[in-house]
Amino acid sequence: DVKVTQSSRYLVKRTGEKVFLECVQDMDHENMFWYRQDPGLGLRLIYFSYDVKMKEKGDIPEGYSVSREKKERFSLILESASTNQTSMYLCASSLPRAGETYNEQFFGPGTRLTVL
Amino acid sequence: AQSVSQHNHHVILSEAASLELGCNYSYGGTVNLFWYVQYPGQHLQLLLKYFSGDPLVKGIKGFEAEFIKSKFSFNLRKPSVQWSDTAEYFCAGYTGTYKYIFGTGTRLKVLA
Repeated sequence: DVKVTQSSRYLVKRTGEKVFLECVQDMDHENMFWYRQDPGLGLRLIYFSYDVKMKEKGDIPEGYSVSREKKERFSLILESASTNQTSMYLCASSLPRAGETYNEQFFGPGTRLTVL
Repeated sequence: AQSVSQHNHHVILSEAASLELGCNYSYGGTVNLFWYVQYPGQHLQLLLKYFSGDPLVKGIKGFEAEFIKSKFSFNLRKPSVQWSDTAEYFCAGYTGTYKYIFGTGTRLKVLA
């Protein structure tokens, strides 16, 4: 079974702090993603990466950055946390189908971040 | 604009009732669609997917979905729900360039 793990289930930070959310997958997947999940808004893509050291902005990248130094690890960084970044953060990975760039995604359990 | 719409935000059913959750997509090109489920306290997991071929797709736990191109729809169905199907359901589509777009989710509550 593919396993995607996230460093924390719950996190409480203060406004202005730098926050690191870590995600690790154990199935050698090429693609990794960070989403935030908010009630009534579904999942919104923050950043994705299709290879080591490669990263692309998603739909809501403002206030976030990412790092992918190793294939299995994809980190989300909140440079200066703000209250409007209080949310559930989901990491996902996928192995593209042969000759394609897509396939099903495997999700981690999520990190519920509260910024006070 | 590209979008995936789920019109039912909350659904309450009794056990053994039939389920149909709506999903409509709005984008062109090759259509690749997914249904994911999130049980309380658990991570999102894949129910089923459509890439091509037979428009009627069977998934896990007795779920199925039908891709109807003319209606831009990919509705999720189950003939008889169980209390354990209580969860949030998300429809998603692959829109290209490594991006997926998700619907806003449907919360299903099944009464025992």
